[in-house]
Amino acid sequence: EAQVTQNPRYLITVTGKKLTVTCSQNMNHEYMSWYRQDPGLGLRQIYYSMNVEVTDKGDVPEGYKVSRKEKRNFPLILESPSPNQTSLYFCASSVTNTGELFFGEGSRLTVL
Amino acid sequence: KNEVEQSPQNLTAQEGEFITINCSYSVGISALHWLQQHPGGGIVSLFMLSSGKKKHGRLIATINIQEKHSSLHITASHPRDSAVYICAVHSNYQLIWGAGTKLIIKP
Repeated sequence: EAQVTQNPRYLITVTGKKLTVTCSQNMNHEYMSWYRQDPGLGLRQIYYSMNVEVTDKGDVPEGYKVSRKEKRNFPLILESPSPNQTSLYFCASSVTNTGELFFGEGSRLTVL
Repeated sequence: KNEVEQSPQNLTAQEGEFITINCSYSVGISALHWLQQHPGGGIVSLFMLSSGKKKHGRLIATINIQEKHSSLHITASHPRDSAVYICAVHSNYQLIWGAGTKLIIKP
């Protein structure tokens, strides 16, 4: 089954404790991206990747890092999480950056 | 002014009603997406279109490139259609997102 898998789905952590949200797709898509969704603000892009070893900042990259060492994986890294990073995070992939988007189920992160 | 605007922001209707959600944009685009987000969070792509009209079951999406406007229609609406519907446009290799329309269908 074609899918985008995110883990963890839910996480409560404390300020400063490094964490990684994994994202994996099994559709051989070149394009992958991360979004955060906050009430009243809609979806905002954090980082995106056009292909392996190619990553770029989106609209709200501060406090986040990503890597794309393999085509299928695009982890989101919070080196030192802060409460303002409490949000619902989505990973998405598509064949190219202008193709149909496939979303993961979302990861709800709370930073205390 | 937002580059992608959706209307209405909120819509409540009775089961069976014909629903229209609108999306207007102010930039040049290569394609437009309609997506659905159910309570609980998951986002599903409904349509991607660059011209004309697409239909899938009870859902119909249209786009008028000259008027920079797209509509999503739901025929014979059902409570399970209750969700947030999001419009997004591809412009200059970026995706620009609308704020979403929250739809509630009452039985």
